[in-house]
Amino acid sequence: DQQVKQNSPSLSVQEGRISILNCDYTNSMFDYFLWYKKYPAEGPTFLISISSIKDKNEDGRFTVFLNKSAKHLSLHIVPSQPGDSAVYFCAASANRGSSNTGKLIFGQGTTLQVKP
Amino acid sequence: NAGVTQTPKFRILKIGQSMTLQCTQDMNHNYMYWYRQDPGMGLKLIYYSVGAGITDKGEVPNGYNVSRSTTEDFPLRLELAAPSQTSVYFCASSYSIGRTEAFFGQGTRLTVV
Repeated sequence: DQQVKQNSPSLSVQEGRISILNCDYTNSMFDYFLWYKKYPAEGPTFLISISSIKDKNEDGRFTVFLNKSAKHLSLHIVPSQPGDSAVYFCAASANRGSSNTGKLIFGQGTTLQVKP
Repeated sequence: NAGVTQTPKFRILKIGQSMTLQCTQDMNHNYMYWYRQDPGMGLKLIYYSVGAGITDKGEVPNGYNVSRSTTEDFPLRLELAAPSQTSVYFCASSYSIGRTEAFFGQGTRLTVV
């Protein structure tokens, strides 16, 4: 049962254009969402997060949008740069209620290639 | 500040052998995690710990054991290695659990033949 899904295994964009990475989730108890970036032979590094009380969070070139009714979030990178080429994972956690421990559940990842 | 350090970086095991993947963090984080990453499958939580002496199972705990005797260290033990345990293993830590980011080590690539 894949609670967090990234249905696009890969994405290729031109330098300077917008990159949009998508993520869907099924568990309505998820209330905190994160995006991680991973380069080859390195561990994932935190990029940006959003709480379920918001629908948008921005940090420089990176913006995360959350649509709770659709159980969908997306990461926008504008403008895209060659150094952004990496695998991007979305993750979610459920933090309300005694049965929810806040553990991070990850999607499968999307490989982004930004062409010069 | 080293962050999260994992050793070894690479290892080849024969079926039935055992080994311990080491993980240590110097950020004084109470929460620590072990994940495995299989191709196209994202990261799956194996075990986690909310503090010294306390551990709990994640999504895929079978075939693994953990211990947490100190805040800094969270070793992962494979007792009888199987080909299905061929994967990249990541250790992570966080200041709290939920609503916060976790910091990851560089990973251990394990091959069981």
